[in-house]
Amino acid sequence: EPEVTQTPSHQVTQMGQEVILRCVPISNHLYFYWYRQILGQKVEFLVSFYNNEISEKSEIFDDQFSVERPDGSNFTLKIRSTKLEDSAMYFCASRRSEIYEQYFGPGTRLTVT
Amino acid sequence: EDKVVQSPLSLVVHEGDTVTLNCSYEVTNFRSLLWYKQEKKAPTFLFMLTSSGIEKKSGRLSSILDKKELSSILNITATQTGDSAIYLCAVPSGNTPLVFGKGTRLSVIA
Repeated sequence: EPEVTQTPSHQVTQMGQEVILRCVPISNHLYFYWYRQILGQKVEFLVSFYNNEISEKSEIFDDQFSVERPDGSNFTLKIRSTKLEDSAMYFCASRRSEIYEQYFGPGTRLTVT
Repeated sequence: EDKVVQSPLSLVVHEGDTVTLNCSYEVTNFRSLLWYKQEKKAPTFLFMLTSSGIEKKSGRLSSILDKKELSSILNITATQTGDSAIYLCAVPSGNTPLVFGKGTRLSVIA
């Protein structure tokens, strides 16, 4: 069964460094999402992406964040200058169309020191 | 602001028990409600509910939506230790990003 994949599974970085989190959504899916989950808290929406552009973003998704679909398969989340409070599990999700459920990747645990 | 509230926040049961998890929601433009199971990492999809009163079933798990009460329940019968997880309820908001509840942490002990 096709699944969403994410790399790396764990990333440790120093405050102020840039990180790129990578996702490969399910191949026939058209809508892509990034969520994050700070330890012990709710899963929170960051950004959605459709037709090669951002369709919606939350207040969390400020100028430090950007997303890109550089080719037909990868979907990336870049954090330009990481802060301690960016430490969280970052989940990528995708879905085929508006009426279908979202499928989540295994997540990248980002630790900012 | 769209909101999802789950109860209880945690639950400990013995193998073989039946459990009922609750989810209530407030959303401007309701389209669907989703249940996910989160073990160590990613939420894995369980059910999507769109119509009131129609039960969805998968093995020992079942779920039903009550649009009048703005709520849903997830039932697990004959629980097993492998059912131990956090169960998440979510509703699409805006252009379909999901708003999640805090989850119910279920622990099934042998």
